[in-house]
Amino acid sequence: AQKVTQAQTEISVVEKEDVTLDCVYETRDTTYYLFWYKQPPSGELVFLIRRNSFDEQNEISGRYSWNFQKSTSSFNFTITASQVVDSAVYFCALSWGGGFKTIFGAGTRLFVKA
Amino acid sequence: GAVVSQHPSWVICKSGTSVKIECRSLDFQATTMFWYRQFPKQSLMLMATSNEGSKATYEQGVEKDKFLINHASLTLSTLTVTSAHPEDSSFYICSVQNRGGNQPQHFGDGTRLSIL
Repeated sequence: AQKVTQAQTEISVVEKEDVTLDCVYETRDTTYYLFWYKQPPSGELVFLIRRNSFDEQNEISGRYSWNFQKSTSSFNFTITASQVVDSAVYFCALSWGGGFKTIFGAGTRLFVKA
Repeated sequence: GAVVSQHPSWVICKSGTSVKIECRSLDFQATTMFWYRQFPKQSLMLMATSNEGSKATYEQGVEKDKFLINHASLTLSTLTVTSAHPEDSSFYICSVQNRGGNQPQHFGDGTRLSIL
């Protein structure tokens, strides 16, 4: 069965600190996709990144970076020099079966204090 | 710009009322849309997959007679919460996903439903 685990329920940091959000997944499918979404207090979910199972290359986008390691079934998300606007709930998600089955982790609530 | 439009964003109504939530795909024709429910401080729970021109596929434990889904066109899916009760109060979110291989889901802004 597929599973996504975000063990960190809440993280609190001070502005400008770096923070890493962990995501561990389980699947027996060889083809799958991993996603990160951000849900700010206003509620809408914002897509951040997609990674397919054949591409372990890490990615950097501005202050955001992602580390995908199949050996540990992890897809961690790092925010460098965090800002108050980064405060949100972040969800890791796993998609398989042609993309029409997706499960979400429990989410990590990030508080960035000024 | 927005890919998905979800309306209304907030509903407060009396117990026993039926409430309809609309989800529109603005950027592409969506043969499949998804409906999620999110309780406070919890993750998204998939309720059903809405298929254009056919019956929705409901997840286990979701009452299909309670949560009616109609996907009448390639750009519109509706979720109707019938005879809503306070326990139906929740945040409902729709999403659309373009075909072509595991595209990310694009989410509506959600509908906060409060049943008094």
